[in-house]
Formats: sequence, C-alpha cells, structure tokens
Amino acid sequence: AQSVTQLGSHVSVSEGALVLLRCNYSSSVPPYLFWYVQYPNQGLQLLLKYTSAATLVKGINGFEAEFKKSETSFHLTKPSAHMSDAAEYFCAVGSGGTASKLTFGTGTRLQVTL
Amino acid sequence: NAGVTQTPKFQVLKTGQSMTLQCAQDMNHEYMSWYRQDPGMGLRLIHYSVGAGITDQGEVPNGYNVSRSTTEDFPLRLLSAAPSQTSVYFCASSRLAGASNTFYEQYFGPGTRLTVT
Repeated sequence: AQSVTQLGSHVSVSEGALVLLRCNYSSSVPPYLFWYVQYPNQGLQLLLKYTSAATLVKGINGFEAEFKKSETSFHLTKPSAHMSDAAEYFCAVGSGGTASKLTFGTGTRLQVTL
Repeated sequence: NAGVTQTPKFQVLKTGQSMTLQCAQDMNHEYMSWYRQDPGMGLRLIHYSVGAGITDQGEVPNGYNVSRSTTEDFPLRLLSAAPSQTSVYFCASSRLAGASNTFYEQYFGPGTRLTVT
C-alpha cells in the first residue's frame, strides 16, 4: 500500500520569498513521486517527477524537489515566489508495475501576497 | 494533439437521474482513469483501465460504472445520482508502465463539475 501526506493545507508566502511545500510518502517498493499543480478551474499539470535517476529534480517554472529516502520525503521548493505561483499543489506516489495507479495527497493551496 | 478532453464542463442533475461523463484522449495511451476531487480530500481514484476491454475499480467505485470499448474513449456512468456525488471529476491518461517498470506521467483533462440536487 502507498500513501502521501502533505503537511499544511494552506501556505502563504510573500512575493520573492522561499516556497516550501512538504510531502511525505509511504511505499513498500521504491516509489515514483510526482508534483502536480492545479490553477483555478483547470486540470492538473505536471511540475516534476522523481524516477530514481537523480535525487534533486528540477521542474517547470523554477520549482525543484529533493528525494530523501531516509526521511521518506519529497518536498517542493522555489527560491523566489511569484504571484503567478498561486495555485493548489498535489504530491502523488506511484508504485510502478503495469497498473500505473497514482495515490494523491490532499493538496496544499499556495497563496502569494505582495 | 488535443490531449485529454472531457464533456460536459458543467452538469446539474436531480437525485436519481443517470448520466455519462465523456472522456477521450488522442495520445494512444493504454492507461486511463477517473478521479473525483473533493475539498480537503485530494483526488481519489474511481475506476481505471489498462486497455480496451479491461477495467478495474479504484478507491471509490460505488455508484459509478465504466467501460472501455476503444483505446481513445473511457466514459464514466452515474447510475442513479446522489448528492454525495457532487464533485469535480477528472479523467487522466498515460502510457502503461509495462515490462520496463517505468512510471509515466498522467495527463489530465480540464474536469467536469457535477452538482446533484
């Protein structure tokens, strides 16, 4: 069984400040990990994914995430927040195999203030 | 490519009515799935399919039915709508992991917002 925990349903940062969104996972096999972003009234868009090639993963729009096996974490960061980053962010885990099923966290809504 | 398309965008049903949410993809993906999104609960898997003629239940399948007669289409049927099915529904597709055990990203449609009164 696999699961994802996202700490903090709402995060607020000032424009230009560091963004840190937390994700911890549980998986009985080496995981595949994803961060998706959802802008208001839209579908989900892939930000980045971890597939064991490198522990530090760079994604779109300046976001990156670091896989830490010892902490079972995959936190999402961005050095400097922009107003356009305001959205909901979802962490997801997949366990591979032919089913391709993903388990999503409950999401973190990021607010960016002036 | 249009990617993943969903119709309708909005729908209001009365309790007990039935309807079908449509989903289509033009990327020749083997894997397709339906999720529902509710506030504070993230996305929960309803049903999924690994190819034409093959479907299986996800985490919350009760009250929903699916079939997959073609690679491109994966409709979701609500048999007798209930207020608890008020939600936003997303369809997604991806390549199948296969023997290489590579996990491919899922592509999402724009969603259908369903209200059951």
